[in-house]
Amino acid sequence: DADVTQTPRNRITKTGKRIMLECSQTKGHDRMYWYRQDPGLGLRLIYYSFDVKDINKGEISDGYSVSRQAQAKFSLSLESAIPNQTALYFCATSDFAGGPSTDTQYFGPGTRLTVL
Amino acid sequence: AQTVTQSQPEMSVQEAETVTLSCTYDTSENNYYLFWYKQPPSRQMILVIRQEAYKQQNATENRFSVNFQKAAKSFSLKISDSQLGDTAMYFCAFMKVTYSGAGSYQLTFGKGTKLSVIP
Repeated sequence: DADVTQTPRNRITKTGKRIMLECSQTKGHDRMYWYRQDPGLGLRLIYYSFDVKDINKGEISDGYSVSRQAQAKFSLSLESAIPNQTALYFCATSDFAGGPSTDTQYFGPGTRLTVL
Repeated sequence: AQTVTQSQPEMSVQEAETVTLSCTYDTSENNYYLFWYKQPPSRQMILVIRQEAYKQQNATENRFSVNFQKAAKSFSLKISDSQLGDTAMYFCAFMKVTYSGAGSYQLTFGKGTKLSVIP
């Protein structure tokens, strides 16, 4: 079984709809992240969470919200989707408990979101 | 702020040959990590290799190795004995390190190099 899973893998929705993307991990990592990937732009950080009670905005958080329901679960919501949120979304996890030497980010398989 | 530049949008290599992907970065930090991630057509982001800036020795992982030039702020990836499964987008990424942990989270990515391995 995959260590980091994302659901759904693909989603098509309409402008104005609320949508939630979910991420689960079995790696036991304390940190979780949401990124978005657009063609030609690489990956950009939306939100990150160091633990269940510590959630922080990344560089492009406008229009998004998150919830860390448990150490293993981190959800990303689009309250009112718009077409320029069409992108590939990645969840990632890392383990800082061992210090910087173990703090490498591992990615889920991604969710392709299309907003019409 | 850090920037990561991959100057080769696309490259190709013959199967079994060696190819080098370039990456340069700009930072005022002294303590950081550098990464290469691979994204095959399946779109999964896969860690290829990691280098700690304080280490002089270049990292290697099987057929993958890096040439880390800290003074030049250069971090190239060499793939030896290229295989068809190496066909993918390759992303170089930078992460600042702070031992308190608060700053050790921001991965800054380059825009990627699309590598095609030709049979």
